[in-house]
Amino acid sequence: DAGVIQSPRHEVTEMGQEVTLRCKPISGHNSLFWYRQTMMRGLELLIYFNNNVPIDDSGMPEDRFSAKMPNASFSTLKIQPSEPRDSAVYFCASRRDFGSGTRLTVV
Amino acid sequence: RKEVEQDPGPFNVPEGATVAFNCTYSNSASQSFFWYRQDCRKEPKLLMSVYSSGNEDGRFTAQLNRASQYISLLIRDSKLSDSATYLCVVALRSGGGADGLTFGKGTHLIIQP
Repeated sequence: DAGVIQSPRHEVTEMGQEVTLRCKPISGHNSLFWYRQTMMRGLELLIYFNNNVPIDDSGMPEDRFSAKMPNASFSTLKIQPSEPRDSAVYFCASRRDFGSGTRLTVV
Repeated sequence: RKEVEQDPGPFNVPEGATVAFNCTYSNSASQSFFWYRQDCRKEPKLLMSVYSSGNEDGRFTAQLNRASQYISLLIRDSKLSDSATYLCVVALRSGGGADGLTFGKGTHLIIQP
C-alpha cells in the first residue's frame, strides 16, 4: 500500500491566488482528515469526512477554505483567495495514517 | 485553557538514559489516547496507543491516568534515533479513526551521543 498520497509536496503562490491541495487516502479507510500545522498553533484539525460525508468542519478557519470528497479515493482542500497567514504544512490523514503533507507558502 | 498541554522542551538527554515526559488533557470525555512521533519536516507517525492499564512496546511505556487527565511516555535506553518531537494526542471516541484527533504541540527530544 502506498499510504496516504498528497500533492503537491510544495506550493508557492502569490497572495490572492487560488490553491488546491489534493489527497488520496488509503484504500478501504472510510475516514479522511485535513490538518494544518504551524509553529505557533501546532497541528489543528480543519475538517473530517466519514464515508465521503463532511462530519465536522468547525476547524475550517474561514469561508476562504473549502474541502470536498467526491469519492472514497480523492479529496481536495481549496483556499480562495489565499493569504500569507495561510502559509503552513497541510496534512491529509486517513484514519490515523498521515500523508507527507503539502508545504504551502503564500507570498 | 489548551485542550492538550505538553512541555515543549527541548529535553537534552544522553544516549542510553531513560527519559519521561507527559501531557495533560482538558476534556474529560476523551476516550482514546495516543503518542505520535514527528521527525523534522516529516509527517506525524503513530508511535503507540495508550491504555488505562498502561502498555509497553519495547523500550517505550505509556501510562494513562484518567482521574488526573494525564498521559505519560517513558523511553528506556534511549537511542540517537529517538530524537524527534513527541506529540500527545487525544480523541473523543474510541475505536478506529472515525473521530478527529486533538494534538498537543509536542515535546522536542534530543538524544546526545
